[in-house]
Amino acid sequence: DIVMTQTPLSSPVTLGQPASISCRSSQSLVHSDGNTYLSWLQQRPGQPPRLLIYKISNRFSGVPDRFSGSGAGTDFTLKISRVEAEDVGVYYCMQATHFPWTFGQGTKVEIK
Amino acid sequence: QITLKESGPTLVRPTQTLTLTCTFSGFSLNTSGVSVGWIRQPPGKALEWLALTYWDDDQRYSPSQKSRLTITKDTSRNQVVLTMTNMDPVDTATYYCAHSDYPTVTTWDFWGQGTLVTVSS
Repeated sequence: DIVMTQTPLSSPVTLGQPASISCRSSQSLVHSDGNTYLSWLQQRPGQPPRLLIYKISNRFSGVPDRFSGSGAGTDFTLKISRVEAEDVGVYYCMQATHFPWTFGQGTKVEIK
Repeated sequence: QITLKESGPTLVRPTQTLTLTCTFSGFSLNTSGVSVGWIRQPPGKALEWLALTYWDDDQRYSPSQKSRLTITKDTSRNQVVLTMTNMDPVDTATYYCAHSDYPTVTTWDFWGQGTLVTVSS
């Protein structure tokens, strides 16, 4: 199985300040079709996960542009340019290049 | 718009078989590239993918759970059913069904609200 390792596991952030989450995979996530199926999901307290970013850097419908994704191969990053109160929650990276599809352990974003 | 909803028992006894149904709308499981899958989340823990079924009847399972899982689809009723045998207290979790579309997103883009299943005697 592909292991997805996120850092940090907890990120206290001041409102209006940036936040960054790293995700590293144990193998390259480049698919045989040329795409890299790395996505980021947000889970607010008591809610199901919500897709933020797919294929490394594509924002899903309705996602604010303060969220951005980058990376390649095995190293990926989610950035929030200016954290807002509604961004509190747990963020997961996920790979869908190789079966079984796997998630990172999650990074908890909270307000200082 | 795409919606999914999970249904099934909230309490299951150890060794019993769990049957969960995902009823969806806003898309067809006959459409090329579409899949529906199941993901679970034990209380306070991370997400774990369990199984998915593609539009073309291809089915994939998590290797760690494969021997216990069966996923089936009923396209006429817009439903996907997951069965998990020999339930154990460690299987206590919120179970989600979700939609994916290859190669457009190839991740879980729409989720149900989830259903909490407790395994206890």
